[in-house]
Amino acid sequence: GQNIDQPTEMTATEGAIVQINCTYQTSGFNGLFWYQQHAGEAPTFLSYNVLDGLEEKGRFSSFLSRSKGYSYLLLKELQMKDSASYLCAAYTGFQKLVFGTGTRLLVSP
Amino acid sequence: DVKVTQSSRYLVKRTGEKVFLECVQDMDHENMFWYRQDPGLGLRLIYFSYDVKMKEKGDIPEGYSVSREKKERFSLILESASTNQTSMYLCASSPRKVGETGGTEAFFGQGTRLTVV
Repeated sequence: GQNIDQPTEMTATEGAIVQINCTYQTSGFNGLFWYQQHAGEAPTFLSYNVLDGLEEKGRFSSFLSRSKGYSYLLLKELQMKDSASYLCAAYTGFQKLVFGTGTRLLVSP
Repeated sequence: DVKVTQSSRYLVKRTGEKVFLECVQDMDHENMFWYRQDPGLGLRLIYFSYDVKMKEKGDIPEGYSVSREKKERFSLILESASTNQTSMYLCASSPRKVGETGGTEAFFGQGTRLTVV
């Protein structure tokens, strides 16, 4: 079966750090994607982890542990524009993605 | 910039109508996808195509069909629309062929919000 779990909603304050967790159980796993989706807009790519470890890209970092079936997205120096949904997706091969339900992040002043 | 364009942002159709959702991408990508997005359920794959005239069922293909006559265009067809097909439909494309290792970034269209009444 395919199962991707992430929290439904999180809140944080401008300037803070927030970590969005994602656990997965999939038949076949070849990497983990994170996408950002603002309300009413298309999802946009944030990161792709294939190997264990942390990948940093500006204010955003993504971590993967394949042995634990676990990933997180770390957002630093939060800005109001970071209020969005964050989608975790497991790449199961043959270009197929299995998405979680998304985490809605609300950033307050 | 990669562009994935969906023909309509909003559609209202009647139960039983045949509905066509069109998607065009301008980056010569091999792979194209149709998802639906519902609150609490996330994105679910309906169909995908890895080449012209090729199609594969996703996780929820029932009630849908697809057509890919040209590389840049992927159409989703609701043969007889029903109220439970009211949803946000997202088209996406990505540049890697089936069988090659490694995932690639998928580029999404803006979505079509379909309401079936």
